[in-house]
Amino acid sequence: GDSVTQMEGPVTLSEEAFLTINCTYTATGYPSLFWYVQYPGEGLQLLLKATKADDKGSNKGFEATYRKETTSFHLEKGSVQVSDSAVYFCALANFGNEKLTFGTGTRLTIIP
Amino acid sequence: DVKVTQSSRYLVKRTGEKVFLECVQDMDHENMFWYRQDPGLGLRLIYFSYDVKMKEKGDIPEGYSVSREKKERFSLILESASTNQTSMYLCASSLSGGASEQFFGPGTRLTVL
Repeated sequence: GDSVTQMEGPVTLSEEAFLTINCTYTATGYPSLFWYVQYPGEGLQLLLKATKADDKGSNKGFEATYRKETTSFHLEKGSVQVSDSAVYFCALANFGNEKLTFGTGTRLTIIP
Repeated sequence: DVKVTQSSRYLVKRTGEKVFLECVQDMDHENMFWYRQDPGLGLRLIYFSYDVKMKEKGDIPEGYSVSREKKERFSLILESASTNQTSMYLCASSLSGGASEQFFGPGTRLTVL
């Protein structure tokens, strides 16, 4: 079945550091890929998505590129802020499937 | 501003009680979902509904049931709460059509004593 593997946390970085959170997937067919973010005390919200190979999703300074050859969708940001502290989830939805498969989440803490 | 609301942010119940968690969305979405979120396990799908009165089991339906009598409302029911159902419960909704963005509520943290 479909699965998502993301790097274990927690991840702690200093403000303005470069961020990478790794995500790889296993799926039949051609899935759409997502990054969701959960700020403290809130539900998840969509951060970015990509629907086909080589697409790049971007939002709020975050980027991720759909790499079919390596089955990866790594999240990156060039300069993190304290306000980026949250839990980040990688997810996929296979073609025509209404349901998402989530990774286990990576807790990110940014220190001033 | 689109919204998914959940009836309680925090809930404390006793073992054996019947528990109702309510979720309402105002976006006219066809799909609604119930997940539980546990540390180290991420989000796991309990039940999914793709239309009124229609439901489908997710990955961990045991011990839970659901009800969707109106399009905007999706209820999760714990028939006889147990301590291993202590968790964060998240409701979400989405448009039908596959691979649509899911919109999440703020969650209900349920503690079963």
